[in-house]
Amino acid sequence: DAGVTQSPTHLIKTRGQQVTLRCSPKSGHDTVSWYQQALGQGPQFIFQYYEEEERQRGNFPDRFSGHQFPNYSSELNVNALLLGDSALYLCASSLVLAGAEQFFGPGTRLTVL
Amino acid sequence: SQQGEEDPQALSIQEGENATMNCSYKTSINNLQWYRQNSGRGLVHLILIRSNEREKHSGRLRVTLDTSKKSSSLLITASRAADTASYFCATENTGGFKTIFGAGTRLFVKA
Repeated sequence: DAGVTQSPTHLIKTRGQQVTLRCSPKSGHDTVSWYQQALGQGPQFIFQYYEEEERQRGNFPDRFSGHQFPNYSSELNVNALLLGDSALYLCASSLVLAGAEQFFGPGTRLTVL
Repeated sequence: SQQGEEDPQALSIQEGENATMNCSYKTSINNLQWYRQNSGRGLVHLILIRSNEREKHSGRLRVTLDTSKKSSSLLITASRAADTASYFCATENTGGFKTIFGAGTRLFVKA
């Protein structure tokens, strides 16, 4: 059973560009959450997807958008990149049940120059 | 802003000693979870304690939860060099689906 996978591992972009990050959940999981983790900080919740809908959103601007596909995989899109968007982006999958354990992927390291 | 606040920010101990990390939070929760992260990579789930539980054990880990004080502690007994990592507490708030993380405690275990 391959756990949560994310691609790419690393990415370098320049200011103003757009980026798409991808996540495949653990087998059997139906819920995907995305987090941004700046260096030396804890992960910050971006949003969660369930049944292809955004279920809840953290305090992030509309430049951050996402999508969940029928196979439960998910994408995170960030438009008009800023230097401050440089971070580790983590995807976590779980079952939709409240309090269900989240399984995290290894993350995508995004650097914006 | 993040809800959980870990204390201390960094902790350095010798192998074999116990390590205690504390976490405080602000609102009512469904559960509190502790995670470990090595070298800025993915997080590993350690233990989940529900709001109606007071203490939980898993191997060398002991977690306590005091909902009246809105605080939790993680105790790692007989620490090993391999326990060197960042440890985060995370809360799932009542009525919400998102998990809120604190800033973490950096633990260094010297061999």
